[in-house]
Amino acid sequence: AQSVTQLDSHVSVSEGTPVLLRCNYSSSYSPSLFWYVQHPNKGLQLLLKYTSAATLVKGINGFEAEFKKSETSFHLTKPSAHMSDAAEYFCVVRTNNNDMRFGAGTRLTVKP
Amino acid sequence: DGGITQSPKYLFRKEGQNVTLSCEQNLNHDAMYWYRQDPGQGLRLIYYSQIVNDFQKGDIAEGYSVSREKKESFPLTVTSAQKNPTAFYLCATQYSGANVLTFGAGSRLTVL
Repeated sequence: AQSVTQLDSHVSVSEGTPVLLRCNYSSSYSPSLFWYVQHPNKGLQLLLKYTSAATLVKGINGFEAEFKKSETSFHLTKPSAHMSDAAEYFCVVRTNNNDMRFGAGTRLTVKP
Repeated sequence: DGGITQSPKYLFRKEGQNVTLSCEQNLNHDAMYWYRQDPGQGLRLIYYSQIVNDFQKGDIAEGYSVSREKKESFPLTVTSAQKNPTAFYLCATQYSGANVLTFGAGSRLTVL
């Protein structure tokens, strides 16, 4: 069964420093993978998606993620954190049944 | 929130009462989903519907019921059989053939 594991429940960075949010996936075939962001008490917004095209995927707000099959990873990165990036981030995989499986989430804190 | 309206935004319920959460969309998307969000657990799928008059159970359907009489509407009833209903509930839609979910702003249910 397809699943994702987010390796950190909480990440804290200083404004202007790089962001790395880690996600490993489990899938018996080439998966469709996504990153969503959720600001407090709001719905989720799509940041980016990987669907077996380019392995380096660029998303909104300067985020990008790289699909690495050898490492079964799909880590989310951003070169320079901004205060507005503080939110919860979810890594998601699409399953054979065409539904979406969410990771437990990583809360990103950005310190001034 | 992309044309998905969830109501009410906040709801308080006494134990033993059923409550219905509304999800309406004007995106003309075929599929609709209900997720439950609890702290540290990501999103878990309750029910989903890919066409009118048809729906499938997700991972945690016990204590919930849904209907899909119209394409635009996918209400979720939280019944008294749901043992721990206090949570944030998210409705999402998906266009047929597309890979991404669009989310509503959510409904927060608190059982007193």
